[in-house]
Amino acid sequence: GAGVSQSPSNKVTEKGKDVELRCDPISGHTALYWYRQSLGQGLEFLIYFQGNSAPDKSGLPSDRFSAERTGGSVSTLTIQRTQQEDSAVYLCASSLGGGLPTQYFGPGTRLLVL
Amino acid sequence: DQQVKQNSPSLSVQEGRISILNCDYTNSMFDYFLWYKKYPAEGPTFLISISSIKDKNEDGRFTVFLNKSAKHLSLHIVPSQPGDSAVYFCAARSPPDKLIFGTGTRLQVFP
Repeated sequence: GAGVSQSPSNKVTEKGKDVELRCDPISGHTALYWYRQSLGQGLEFLIYFQGNSAPDKSGLPSDRFSAERTGGSVSTLTIQRTQQEDSAVYLCASSLGGGLPTQYFGPGTRLLVL
Repeated sequence: DQQVKQNSPSLSVQEGRISILNCDYTNSMFDYFLWYKKYPAEGPTFLISISSIKDKNEDGRFTVFLNKSAKHLSLHIVPSQPGDSAVYFCAARSPPDKLIFGTGTRLQVFP
């Protein structure tokens, strides 16, 4: 398919474990974003990558959260020492960049920390 | 401090009628506003956007109106269809490229 893909679709983990969430953006999109949606809430910005520029990490809630983007394409969001409050849907989006505002979202990864 | 607010958590409209979803914001530096639709267990789908220098944008059954002086925007869907039933999110772009989302409005269109 031509859309944003994310894996896994669901992840159940135990408190204190590390998890990695993967995002494959739309081919040719230079910008990539991570958001999360907690139950009953709107989407909360976490981090974004634009080309080779330093990422904007201003939305990461703690130093347990990190993300990288390899080769300007695939991105991995890592949460270390997971806590129950990390349970949420983690959404990835990509865009063409260049000032265009529209971001296209993947289906999300539903994370449950027990 | 919630910069983008959708004060109506839900809206119920009869098929064929107009649906009006509202959104308020506080930051005058936002340069674009976007509406997304979300079905359960899916990611948000882009619907329509408007630049802060415009006051109206139309795409088929969807029209977005922007009132900058009131810091208010609305999405009009006419005529409403049962397939429009979903959660609608308003988002504002904080330059250069960060979207700030509202908490969503659940629209139900009934026959």
